[in-house]
Amino acid sequence: KAGVTQTPRYLIKTRGQQVTLSCSPISGHRSVSWYQQTPGQGLQFLFEYFSETQRNKGNFPGRFSGRQFSNSRSEMNVSTLELGDSALYLCASSRAGTGMTGELFFGEGSRLTVL
Amino acid sequence: TQLLEQSPQFLSIQEGENLTVYCNSSSVFSSLQWYRQEPGEGPVLLVTVVTGGEVKKLKRLTFQFGDARKDSSLHITAAQPGDTGLYLCAGELDSWGKLQFGAGTQVVVTP
Repeated sequence: KAGVTQTPRYLIKTRGQQVTLSCSPISGHRSVSWYQQTPGQGLQFLFEYFSETQRNKGNFPGRFSGRQFSNSRSEMNVSTLELGDSALYLCASSRAGTGMTGELFFGEGSRLTVL
Repeated sequence: TQLLEQSPQFLSIQEGENLTVYCNSSSVFSSLQWYRQEPGEGPVLLVTVVTGGEVKKLKRLTFQFGDARKDSSLHITAAQPGDTGLYLCAGELDSWGKLQFGAGTQVVVTP
């Protein structure tokens, strides 16, 4: 079956702009999580959506937001980009239901460069 | 500071050698997962351990969960170049999808 698909794979933005990243989970997976990966900080949890509701949120500023649609596809948005937002943004889907995490299936990521 | 501390940060060994990667925390986890990430790809799950003291084997890889469920180790026997990658441990403190990742151990196995 198709894996987790993230688009775009690469993008370059300038400071102050905004960006929207998209994630299509594996068919049947209702949970979608987003992570930011940088060499210095590793994988940092952004947020997790389950059935269109944000179920958990990491410690990122309000410039980082997300949503999930009825077909489980998810988008994340970063507004007023800063240089420090340059990172690999990973989306992961899971079969997890209530009260569990389960195995995360990651996409290949969207590499964002902010100039 | 990272909730999960992985050591070493970098490991370079020759093919055929053994290696161990450690994942430590002061927190108790309900479960712990190990992932491997290769360049240009997302992490891929290797194993999940749930019970304190649990040992799981995946071919040449042996995973152990500490008795107190605060730490874990990954041991690779007779490493091969295909084992090269970033090894990440991730612990689940509570439910609802919030996995905490360690910073990772970069392993390089040269022929």
